[in-house]
Amino acid sequence: GESVGLHLPTLSVQEGDNSIINCAYSNSASDYFIWYKQESGKGPQFIIDIRSNMDKRQGQRVTVLLNKTVKHLSLQIAATQPGDSAVYFCADSGMDTGRRALTFGSGTRLQVQP
Amino acid sequence: KAGVTQTPRYLIKTRGQQVTLSCSPISGHRSVSWYQQTPGQGLQFLFEYFSETQRNKGNFPGRFSGRQFSNSRSEMNVSTLELGDSALYLCASSASYGPLEQYFGPGTRLTVT
Repeated sequence: GESVGLHLPTLSVQEGDNSIINCAYSNSASDYFIWYKQESGKGPQFIIDIRSNMDKRQGQRVTVLLNKTVKHLSLQIAATQPGDSAVYFCADSGMDTGRRALTFGSGTRLQVQP
Repeated sequence: KAGVTQTPRYLIKTRGQQVTLSCSPISGHRSVSWYQQTPGQGLQFLFEYFSETQRNKGNFPGRFSGRQFSNSRSEMNVSTLELGDSALYLCASSASYGPLEQYFGPGTRLTVT
């Protein structure tokens, strides 16, 4: 993920709508990607991961899409609920190149309107 | 299965002091990674321990150190605290060495005055 500053981009959606959270990464050698959700006062919670040999992976109500050509990752949340309100982080690493530590993006705040 | 636990949850220290934070990983997990989270810098990797050995280290000064015990519990130490060390310190555990499926604890909020 790219490191940015203090102000988080915010995505505001209506309850029941689908949400799409985007993330750009900078290292073309990255081969593992992961999404986390962080609620206020808590640690990041694992949502879903994907390796570079895939371009899509689905979980429960979530889908991650990977576009290696433009170095872009997205998290889609279906039927967004108030409990989905949180900050979402993407992270990447390059296991095959020895960069085994996760590099985190700055995060996106998701606000779900009832 | 119990999650990652961190103690203490909150800590207030004075500049120049040192502090030790503790992390107990998920049962069966052998890797513990530490991260610092601040509003300005976001989440930054400190180091990773696997089988009692530091396997990876981020770009932090030597004042930040850690260790891992035979039961996989880990401690992180910060010496000569600076105001800029105020942050949420998170540990994450995983079954194996590396970034795969790391599960985070709730963090320790350190305030340096």
